[in-house]
Amino acid sequence: DIQMTQSPSSVSASVGDRVTITCRASQGISSWLAWYQQKPGKAPKLLIYAASSLQSGVPSRFSGSGSGTDFTLTISSLQPEDFATYYCQQANSFPLTFGQGTRLEIK
Amino acid sequence: QVQLQESGPGLVKPSQTLSLTCTVSGGSISSGSYYWSWIRQPAGKGLEWIGRIYTSGSTNYNPSLKSRVTISVDTSKNQFSLKLSSVTAADTAVYYCARADGVAADFDYWGQGTLVTVSS
Repeated sequence: DIQMTQSPSSVSASVGDRVTITCRASQGISSWLAWYQQKPGKAPKLLIYAASSLQSGVPSRFSGSGSGTDFTLTISSLQPEDFATYYCQQANSFPLTFGQGTRLEIK
Repeated sequence: QVQLQESGPGLVKPSQTLSLTCTVSGGSISSGSYYWSWIRQPAGKGLEWIGRIYTSGSTNYNPSLKSRVTISVDTSKNQFSLKLSSVTAADTAVYYCARADGVAADFDYWGQGTLVTVSS
């Protein structure tokens, strides 16, 4: 299985801050990487697919980059509704696997 | 707008079989090149992909669960289903159904999730 490791596990930030979350794959996955946002009691929401493509309807303050084994999700200017848990997911090979999550909290 | 809705018992006894159904609305489950997956999340923990099915009936399963999992599709009802046998408390989780579009195996539509508790 491909292991996905996110860092940090949690981060505190303020509205307006720029935040970057990292995801590392245990082996190369090309650009087959997606990012999700999950709020308490809700299903995950797709933000980014193919490492850097913005899902329709997702604000442009979200961006993704990377290929191979190292990927980042950046939120350029945090908004109150962005405080949530973020997951990366590799879509390269079976079984599909997710990172352990990064909890983004209000400072 | 595609919508997915999970349904099934919220409580299952140990050693029994967990059965859930996902009903797809807002579009035909057979149209397009979509794969239909089950994903679960224990309370306070991360996401685990269980498996997926294409409308042709072809399936892929997580090897960690493969011996206990069956995913099937009923195109006439616009539904797909999950059966997980010999459940234990470790199978207690919120179960989601989700759609992936074509070659890409990322999930663009999700159900709201349903909590299944394994307890006697």
